[in-house]
Amino acid sequence: DAGITQSPRHKVTETGTPVTLRCHQTENHRYMYWYRQDPGHGLRLIHYSYGVKDTDKGEVSDGYSVSRSKTEDFLLTLESATSSQTSVYFCAISEIERYEQYFGPGTRLTVT
Amino acid sequence: GEDVEQSLFLSVREGDSSVINCTYTDSSSTYLYWYKQEPGAGLQLLTYIFSNMDMKQDQRLTVLLNKKDKHLSLRIADTQTGDSAIYFCAETLYNTDKLIFGTGTRLQVFP
Repeated sequence: DAGITQSPRHKVTETGTPVTLRCHQTENHRYMYWYRQDPGHGLRLIHYSYGVKDTDKGEVSDGYSVSRSKTEDFLLTLESATSSQTSVYFCAISEIERYEQYFGPGTRLTVT
Repeated sequence: GEDVEQSLFLSVREGDSSVINCTYTDSSSTYLYWYKQEPGAGLQLLTYIFSNMDMKQDQRLTVLLNKKDKHLSLRIADTQTGDSAIYFCAETLYNTDKLIFGTGTRLQVFP
């Protein structure tokens, strides 16, 4: 298994509070991704990173920001959580030359 | 635009073959993938096929690609209860490292 961990694994928070999810990898892969998974939508890309301090938006980036100050860590921040951001969030990594992505175990976030 | 579609549900008897289908719209797909997600877990890459291939076999798994119809299928031979999961197809478009996922097919295997 690829060395990917996500923290926390579960979180319940209130509307309007900031939330940060962490993805940590031990594989030294260049690319890292944040997805959300919702019923009927499959996985949708929020943001991705192609190197330290290099990030770009995915298809559902509104309300989210990311940071990558080290190769191994990719942070996803909800500045002011809303109930529509209740979801399961997955981090993924991939190597430079290959297109396969490997996924972390997910974080279940509930915004009340 | 980019769109990947799958049927939502498939139920098969243990020991039978399962066929999960996927259609995609973008002809610039380079790689097509099948991922498996067990309950409460992340996605696990099962297999992938490059767009210039028609078929790929890996033990009980057979992937068929029909580029003309933009149709991808995953056949699981001798389906077992441990194969019960959600299966996602996904595509990578030319010159991008992003994956476009289908909505997933829930496979239920009954004895």
